Amino acid sequence: DQQVKQNSPSLSVQEGRISILNCDYTNSMFDYFLWYKKYPAEGPTFLISISSIKDKNEDGRFTVFLNKSAKHLSLHIVPSQPGDSAVYFCAASLPRAGTALIFGKGTTLSVSS
Amino acid sequence: GAGVSQSPRYKVAKRGQDVALRCDPISGHVSLFWYQQALGQGPEFLTYFQNEAQLDKSGLPSDRFFAERPEGSVSTLKIQRTQQEDSAVYLCASSLYRDRNNQPQHFGDGTRLSIL
Repeated sequence: DQQVKQNSPSLSVQEGRISILNCDYTNSMFDYFLWYKKYPAEGPTFLISISSIKDKNEDGRFTVFLNKSAKHLSLHIVPSQPGDSAVYFCAASLPRAGTALIFGKGTTLSVSS
Repeated sequence: GAGVSQSPRYKVAKRGQDVALRCDPISGHVSLFWYQQALGQGPEFLTYFQNEAQLDKSGLPSDRFFAERPEGSVSTLKIQRTQQEDSAVYLCASSLYRDRNNQPQHFGDGTRLSIL
């Protein structure tokens, strides 16, 4: 039973448009959520995070929205650039020290120029 | 270096051999995690260290898997009598604090292990 789900395996977007990547979770005890970006043959790179006490966090072109009642978060990239093409992983963690991240299966984003 | 360093980047072994994978975390990072990533999946937790203490090993799939961090910095993941299902990318991550304190984990580039 997957606790973090990314239901879209892939997403294609044109350069300059908005990319919206979605993530759903089942465990209401999760209180910290992260997005990681991964290029082939590299490790995941931290992108942006949000605590459950917030519903929005913004960093440049990247914004993460959290809807706790729906157990849903999304990552918005505006404007999308070809260099954003990568696999994006959503992850969640419980509120305790040393807690592991629980990852979704990832969404492959392709941004065409 | 500035980031988490893992070696080797690629490892090919015959079934039944033992392998050792190394992780050099970011200097000063207290917490260290090992994850296993199968093809087409997200990383899955294996084990967690706080300094030299292994506080959680609930994700290790069998007693063939063993991890250590004797001096609280470099960590080694050892897999004994490897099986084909051990083929995966093994990722190491570190974070600064003992308490989570909403600090992200920073990942290395992983070791791709192939068991023939």
